[in-house]
Amino acid sequence: KQEVTQIPAALSVPEGENLVLNCSFTDSAIYNLQWFRQDPGKGLTSLLLIQSSQREQTSGRLNASLDKSSGRSTLYIAASQPGDSATYLCAVSAGAQKLVFGQGTRLTINP
Amino acid sequence: GAVVSQHPSWVICKSGTSVKIECRSLDFQATTMFWYRQFPKQSLMLMATSNEGSKATYEQGVEKDKFLINHASLTLSTLTVTSAHPEDSSFYICSASRRVDRVRRETQYFGPGTRLLVL
Repeated sequence: KQEVTQIPAALSVPEGENLVLNCSFTDSAIYNLQWFRQDPGKGLTSLLLIQSSQREQTSGRLNASLDKSSGRSTLYIAASQPGDSATYLCAVSAGAQKLVFGQGTRLTINP
Repeated sequence: GAVVSQHPSWVICKSGTSVKIECRSLDFQATTMFWYRQFPKQSLMLMATSNEGSKATYEQGVEKDKFLINHASLTLSTLTVTSAHPEDSSFYICSASRRVDRVRRETQYFGPGTRLLVL
């Protein structure tokens, strides 16, 4: 059974810092990996999707990497802003479109 | 494009009543729809997968008679929580899958969620 773990569970940093969120999964036979953002009481916003054949994806200040063989992914956020404060969820797909989510990292950017 | 809506956004009901939640893909036809549940400070857990015109496939531990799913069309799926109890209080999120390229890769688009509180 696939398990997804995110570390740390919570992170608080000053505005402007670069930061890294970590995601690990137990079964490397994944189809793709996604990073989502969730604001309190809201649904999910997809940030980046990495196919299993890819190593990384970039969107603006966000960069996600994937090392399938070691079962790890990182989300790098450059020059953090208070508006980046949210919960970040990592999810893997192992086919049949089923997504297995991690517990999330609650990120707070302090002005 | 690729917007998914849910209705209602929140609902409060008495214990023992049934609650219906709608999930609609507004500008695309969804090949598959998914229902997730999220308890406070926990992650999303997949409850069931549904395809239009066929019975939903439920995840282990999810009672199909408790959580009725009807996928009436390519743009609408409903989740009915029957005889709701306080332990059913949660945040319910749906997603709709859309084919994005010729290689048949599909991506899920998530609705805004429905918060259910059972008193």
